[in-house]
Amino acid sequence: DTEVTQTPKHLVMGMTNKKSLKCEQHMGHRAMYWYKQKAKKPPELMFVYSYEKLSINESVPSRFSPECPNSSLLNLHLHALQPEDSALYLCASSEVQGSMYEQFFGPGTRLTVL
Amino acid sequence: RKEVEQDPGPFNVPEGATVAFNCTYSNSASQSFFWYRQDCRKEPKLLMSVYSSGNEDGRFTAQLNRASQYISLLIRDSKLSDSATYLCVVISNYGGATNKLIFGTGTLLAVQP
Repeated sequence: DTEVTQTPKHLVMGMTNKKSLKCEQHMGHRAMYWYKQKAKKPPELMFVYSYEKLSINESVPSRFSPECPNSSLLNLHLHALQPEDSALYLCASSEVQGSMYEQFFGPGTRLTVL
Repeated sequence: RKEVEQDPGPFNVPEGATVAFNCTYSNSASQSFFWYRQDCRKEPKLLMSVYSSGNEDGRFTAQLNRASQYISLLIRDSKLSDSATYLCVVISNYGGATNKLIFGTGTLLAVQP
């Protein structure tokens, strides 16, 4: 199974809502990532988890809160988002966090904030 | 200056053409280099890794020039299915075990029948 799955595929939320994005992989990977991608732009790294511990936080606003409940799951909790947070949110995983390891991406959650 | 720079294109080429993409990176401590492909409204997928010795996979050839901090991708005999955005990706170390994937802006390729 060489797949990263993400739910939901699409999400529309108001600025006062609280929602969560979910990511799952069963490849035994120990590094997992959240990226944000705006239209016609490359993905931008948000967070990295390595062995279920937060390794990198790219100065992401606190309205985005990541969580890694176990080695297969990665969540992104959303609260009080702004319309400019509308984007494709991509999850990825790699064997470990290291320069030679390919990152496998999930299909993404397309988020719209009204 | 962006850490990884690419010509955004679009590159419009006929089927069967040979097309080359270039990418430059600014961090001389960068360690690993890749080309990813992203289809419209889909996730990025690894196309190939890039090595100093150059590497080839079928119609695709990737090259790295560390001295010039330059990466290239050559596609021969373009197919309609090659139409996508090609992302140059560089992994750099920011201290300790902190490696980050830095994406270029992507080059859009449209292969015409």
